[in-house]
Amino acid sequence: AQTVTQSQPEMSVQEAETVTLSCTYDTSESDYYLFWYKQPPSRQMILVIRQEAYKQQNATENRFSVNFQKAAKSFSLKISDSQLGDAAMYFCAYRSADYGGSQGNLIFGKGTKLSVKP
Amino acid sequence: ETGVTQSPTHLIKTRGQQVTLRCSSQSGHNTVSWYQQALGQGPQFIFQYYREEENGRGNFPPRFSGLQFPNYSSELNVNALELDDSALYLCASSLGSARAAYGYTFGSGTRLTVV
Repeated sequence: AQTVTQSQPEMSVQEAETVTLSCTYDTSESDYYLFWYKQPPSRQMILVIRQEAYKQQNATENRFSVNFQKAAKSFSLKISDSQLGDAAMYFCAYRSADYGGSQGNLIFGKGTKLSVKP
Repeated sequence: ETGVTQSPTHLIKTRGQQVTLRCSSQSGHNTVSWYQQALGQGPQFIFQYYREEENGRGNFPPRFSGLQFPNYSSELNVNALELDDSALYLCASSLGSARAAYGYTFGSGTRLTVV
Protein backbone atom coordinates (compact mmCIF):
# COMPACT_ATOMS: atom_id res chain seq x y z
CA ALA A 1 0.00 0.00 0.00
CA GLN A 2 1.13 3.51 -0.74
CA THR A 3 1.92 5.93 2.06
CA VAL A 4 2.67 9.64 2.23
CA THR A 5 4.74 11.19 5.01
CA GLN A 6 5.04 14.84 5.90
CA SER A 7 7.64 15.14 8.64
CA GLN A 8 7.10 18.81 9.48
CA PRO A 9 3.90 19.33 11.49
CA GLU A 10 4.48 23.09 11.55
CA MET A 11 6.62 25.56 9.63
CA SER A 12 7.04 29.31 9.85
CA VAL A 13 8.33 31.81 7.29
CA GLN A 14 8.84 35.54 7.17
CA GLU A 15 6.79 37.41 4.61
CA ALA A 16 8.65 37.69 1.26
CA GLU A 17 11.04 34.87 2.20
CA THR A 18 11.22 31.34 0.78
CA VAL A 19 10.10 28.17 2.55
CA THR A 20 10.29 24.50 1.60
CA LEU A 21 7.81 21.89 2.78
CA SER A 22 8.91 18.26 2.74
CA CYS A 23 7.05 15.19 1.57
CA THR A 24 8.17 11.61 1.08
CA TYR A 25 6.11 8.72 -0.21
CA ASP A 26 6.35 5.01 -0.55
CA THR A 27 5.11 3.08 -3.56
CA SER A 28 6.06 0.16 -5.74
CA GLU A 29 4.39 1.74 -8.77
CA SER A 30 6.32 3.53 -11.47
CA ASP A 31 3.52 5.68 -12.83
CA TYR A 32 1.61 7.98 -10.51
CA TYR A 33 0.71 11.57 -9.78
CA LEU A 34 1.71 13.78 -6.87
CA PHE A 35 -0.13 16.83 -5.62
CA TRP A 36 0.19 19.61 -3.13
CA TYR A 37 -3.08 20.92 -1.72
CA LYS A 38 -3.62 23.99 0.43
CA GLN A 39 -6.36 24.01 3.07
CA PRO A 40 -7.04 27.46 4.53
CA PRO A 41 -9.42 27.99 7.48
CA SER A 42 -12.28 27.97 4.97
CA ARG A 43 -11.59 24.19 4.86
CA GLN A 44 -11.71 23.87 1.09
CA MET A 45 -8.83 21.90 -0.38
CA ILE A 46 -7.23 23.97 -3.12
CA LEU A 47 -4.88 22.40 -5.66
CA VAL A 48 -1.52 24.18 -5.58
CA ILE A 49 0.57 22.12 -7.95
CA ARG A 50 0.60 18.74 -9.69
CA GLN A 51 3.46 16.52 -10.85
CA GLU A 52 3.29 13.54 -13.18
CA ALA A 53 5.84 10.90 -12.24
CA TYR A 54 6.86 10.11 -15.79
CA LYS A 55 7.84 13.74 -16.37
CA GLN A 56 11.31 14.52 -15.11
CA GLN A 57 10.83 18.26 -15.27
CA ASN A 58 9.75 19.79 -11.98
CA ALA A 59 6.36 21.48 -12.04
CA THR A 60 6.05 25.20 -11.34
CA GLU A 61 3.05 27.45 -10.80
CA ASN A 62 4.00 31.08 -10.30
CA ARG A 63 5.60 31.30 -6.82
CA PHE A 64 5.17 27.58 -6.19
CA SER A 65 7.59 24.95 -7.43
CA VAL A 66 8.43 21.39 -6.56
CA ASN A 67 11.60 19.37 -6.27
CA PHE A 68 10.62 15.91 -7.47
CA GLN A 69 13.19 13.21 -6.79
CA LYS A 70 11.66 9.99 -8.08
CA ALA A 71 14.44 7.65 -6.98
CA ALA A 72 14.42 9.09 -3.48
CA LYS A 73 10.59 9.22 -3.48
CA SER A 74 10.69 12.81 -2.38
CA PHE A 75 8.35 15.62 -3.43
CA SER A 76 9.04 18.94 -1.70
CA LEU A 77 7.17 22.20 -2.24
CA LYS A 78 9.00 25.52 -2.41
CA ILE A 79 7.08 28.71 -1.87
CA SER A 80 8.94 31.83 -2.97
CA ASP A 81 8.15 35.40 -1.92
CA SER A 82 5.79 34.14 0.78
CA GLN A 83 2.62 36.13 1.30
CA LEU A 84 0.28 36.37 4.28
CA GLY A 85 -2.37 34.58 2.23
CA ASP A 86 -0.12 31.54 1.97
CA ALA A 87 -0.75 30.72 5.63
CA ALA A 88 -2.68 27.43 5.68
CA MET A 89 -2.38 23.68 6.07
CA TYR A 90 -0.52 22.09 3.19
CA PHE A 91 -1.12 18.48 2.24
CA CYS A 92 0.95 16.30 0.00
CA ALA A 93 -1.06 13.67 -1.86
CA TYR A 94 -0.40 10.64 -4.07
CA ARG A 95 -2.58 9.05 -6.71
CA SER A 96 -1.96 5.95 -8.74
CA ALA A 97 -2.00 6.42 -12.49
CA ASP A 98 -3.82 3.09 -12.79
CA TYR A 99 -7.22 4.71 -12.66
CA GLY A 100 -9.41 1.87 -11.58
CA GLY A 101 -11.45 1.28 -8.47
CA SER A 102 -9.99 2.72 -5.32
CA GLN A 103 -6.70 3.33 -7.07
CA GLY A 104 -8.19 6.55 -8.36
CA ASN A 105 -8.32 8.00 -4.89
CA LEU A 106 -5.91 10.41 -3.28
CA ILE A 107 -3.66 9.31 -0.42
CA PHE A 108 -2.81 12.24 1.82
CA GLY A 109 -0.08 12.98 4.31
CA LYS A 110 -0.93 14.43 7.70
CA GLY A 111 -0.19 17.96 6.60
CA THR A 112 2.11 20.84 7.49
CA LYS A 113 0.74 23.99 9.09
CA LEU A 114 2.44 27.00 7.53
CA SER A 115 2.49 30.33 9.35
CA VAL A 116 3.61 33.52 7.62
CA LYS A 117 4.98 36.31 9.80
CA PRO A 118 4.56 39.93 8.67
CA GLU B 1 -18.51 27.44 -13.90
CA THR B 2 -19.74 26.39 -10.46
CA GLY B 3 -17.52 24.68 -7.94
CA VAL B 4 -18.39 21.91 -5.51
CA THR B 5 -20.96 22.77 -2.87
CA GLN B 6 -21.70 20.75 0.25
CA SER B 7 -24.55 20.90 2.70
CA PRO B 8 -24.98 21.35 5.53
CA THR B 9 -21.82 23.12 6.66
CA HIS B 10 -22.17 21.98 10.25
CA LEU B 11 -24.17 19.23 11.88
CA ILE B 12 -24.55 17.80 15.38
CA LYS B 13 -26.00 14.32 15.79
CA THR B 14 -26.41 11.88 18.63
CA ARG B 15 -24.62 8.54 18.79
CA GLY B 16 -26.69 5.84 17.10
CA GLN B 17 -28.48 8.23 14.75
CA GLN B 18 -28.23 8.33 10.97
CA VAL B 19 -26.98 11.26 8.89
CA THR B 20 -27.06 12.25 5.22
CA LEU B 21 -24.55 14.68 3.77
CA ARG B 22 -25.00 16.19 0.33
CA CYS B 23 -22.65 17.30 -2.42
CA SER B 24 -23.22 19.07 -5.70
CA SER B 25 -20.40 18.35 -8.14
CA GLN B 26 -18.65 20.85 -10.36
CA SER B 27 -20.38 21.21 -13.69
CA GLY B 28 -19.23 18.56 -16.16
CA HIS B 29 -17.57 16.34 -13.56
CA ASN B 30 -18.82 12.75 -13.59
CA THR B 31 -16.82 11.31 -10.71
CA VAL B 32 -17.30 12.10 -7.04
CA SER B 33 -15.25 10.98 -4.08
CA TRP B 34 -15.86 11.34 -0.36
CA TYR B 35 -13.18 11.80 2.26
CA GLN B 36 -13.19 11.84 6.05
CA GLN B 37 -10.78 14.26 7.72
CA ALA B 38 -10.37 13.79 11.46
CA LEU B 39 -9.00 16.68 13.48
CA GLY B 40 -5.29 17.16 12.84
CA GLN B 41 -5.16 14.49 10.14
CA GLY B 42 -5.12 14.32 6.39
CA PRO B 43 -8.28 13.27 4.55
CA GLN B 44 -8.96 9.56 4.22
CA PHE B 45 -10.75 8.06 1.24
CA ILE B 46 -14.22 6.67 1.93
CA PHE B 47 -15.50 5.78 -1.55
CA GLN B 48 -15.87 6.98 -5.10
CA TYR B 49 -18.76 7.02 -7.56
CA TYR B 50 -18.53 7.11 -11.33
CA ARG B 51 -21.68 7.33 -13.43
CA GLU B 52 -23.87 6.40 -10.44
CA GLU B 53 -21.90 3.25 -9.58
CA GLU B 54 -19.50 2.82 -6.67
CA ASN B 55 -16.15 1.99 -8.22
CA GLY B 56 -13.80 2.21 -5.28
CA ARG B 57 -13.91 2.04 -1.53
CA GLY B 58 -11.50 2.72 1.29
CA ASN B 59 -11.27 1.01 4.66
CA PHE B 60 -14.66 2.09 5.98
CA PRO B 61 -17.46 -0.17 7.27
CA PRO B 62 -20.70 -0.79 5.34
CA ARG B 63 -22.61 1.67 7.52
CA PHE B 64 -20.95 4.30 5.33
CA SER B 65 -22.89 4.27 2.06
CA GLY B 66 -23.46 6.62 -0.80
CA LEU B 67 -25.43 7.52 -3.87
CA GLN B 68 -24.70 9.44 -7.03
CA PHE B 69 -27.56 10.86 -9.05
CA PRO B 70 -27.90 11.40 -12.83
CA ASN B 71 -27.05 15.09 -12.38
CA TYR B 72 -23.84 13.91 -10.65
CA SER B 73 -24.85 15.24 -7.25
CA SER B 74 -24.08 12.82 -4.45
CA GLU B 75 -25.00 11.77 -0.93
CA LEU B 76 -23.00 10.22 1.88
CA ASN B 77 -25.07 8.30 4.41
CA VAL B 78 -23.74 7.12 7.74
CA ASN B 79 -25.82 4.80 9.92
CA ALA B 80 -25.45 4.02 13.61
CA LEU B 81 -23.22 7.02 14.25
CA GLU B 82 -20.27 6.57 16.59
CA LEU B 83 -18.31 9.21 18.46
CA ASP B 84 -15.29 8.54 16.20
CA ASP B 85 -17.34 9.56 13.19
CA SER B 86 -16.91 13.16 14.29
CA ALA B 87 -14.88 14.73 11.49
CA LEU B 88 -14.89 17.01 8.48
CA TYR B 89 -16.39 15.23 5.47
CA LEU B 90 -15.09 16.44 2.15
CA CYS B 91 -16.58 15.83 -1.25
CA ALA B 92 -14.40 16.04 -4.35
CA SER B 93 -15.45 15.89 -7.97
CA SER B 94 -13.33 15.17 -11.00
CA LEU B 95 -13.55 14.37 -14.68
CA GLY B 96 -12.80 10.68 -14.41
CA SER B 97 -11.12 8.89 -17.24
CA ALA B 98 -8.30 6.42 -17.56
CA ARG B 99 -4.94 8.02 -16.89
CA ALA B 100 -6.50 11.45 -16.35
CA ALA B 101 -4.74 13.60 -13.78
CA TYR B 102 -6.73 16.76 -13.82
CA GLY B 103 -6.88 16.80 -10.07
CA TYR B 104 -9.93 17.11 -7.95
CA THR B 105 -12.18 20.03 -7.04
CA PHE B 106 -13.09 19.93 -3.38
CA GLY B 107 -15.99 21.40 -1.50
CA SER B 108 -15.63 23.17 1.84
CA GLY B 109 -16.88 20.16 3.71
CA THR B 110 -19.46 19.31 6.34
CA ARG B 111 -18.30 19.39 9.95
CA LEU B 112 -20.07 16.50 11.71
CA THR B 113 -20.05 16.30 15.49
CA VAL B 114 -21.40 13.18 17.17
CA VAL B 115 -22.28 13.54 20.84
